[in-house]
Amino acid sequence: AQTVTQSQPEMSVQEAETVTLSCTYDTSENNYYLFWYKQPPSRQMILVIRQEAYKQQNATENRFSVNFQKAAKSFSLKISDSQLGDTAMYFCAFVPTGTASKLTFGTGTRLQVTL
Amino acid sequence: DAGVTQSPTHLIKTRGQQVTLRCSPKSGHDTVSWYQQALGQGPQFIFQYYEEEERQRGNFPDRFSGHQFPNYSSELNVNALLLGDSALYLCASSLVPGSYNEQFFGPGTRLTVL
Repeated sequence: AQTVTQSQPEMSVQEAETVTLSCTYDTSENNYYLFWYKQPPSRQMILVIRQEAYKQQNATENRFSVNFQKAAKSFSLKISDSQLGDTAMYFCAFVPTGTASKLTFGTGTRLQVTL
Repeated sequence: DAGVTQSPTHLIKTRGQQVTLRCSPKSGHDTVSWYQQALGQGPQFIFQYYEEEERQRGNFPDRFSGHQFPNYSSELNVNALLLGDSALYLCASSLVPGSYNEQFFGPGTRLTVL
């Protein structure tokens, strides 16, 4: 069974600053995908960034980037130049390759971006 | 292009009742997954439907059942409701299962059991 742990229930960052959200996971699988999802107060979950475990290069999407450490089973999300619209719950999620999209989520980190 | 839609938005039921939640997938998607998100928790996988059959199931009792229709829309049924069933129920759609295809989530149905 896979587990995903997010040890930061809440975080706060000032606008334009950088913040890093932590995620660790446990699995015996060798091939898998990792994700960060954002759930704004309006509730609709949207994908922020995706990392494939066989790729050594860390994924980047505009202001969002990850630090993927496969040996340590760590997958942190860095948000640069934080904006008020980044305020949301952020969930780390895991899916082994070939398991038909059965996502395992962490408990989430609530991020508040302040002026 | 419509995204994933769910109905109703909110629902209040009493213990022991039955409830049906509905989901229409994103245009072009044929696979629907259901998740339960309790307050303050991450979503938990309930089950997934593809080609009108349940393909995978999470650790949920048989009180939770579902259905997928020929147009790929889906229903989630919960019988004999318990207080602990109060949660946000999320539907996600994707392309045919296999190598990972991105899941798109709906806005959810907030179920309150009194």
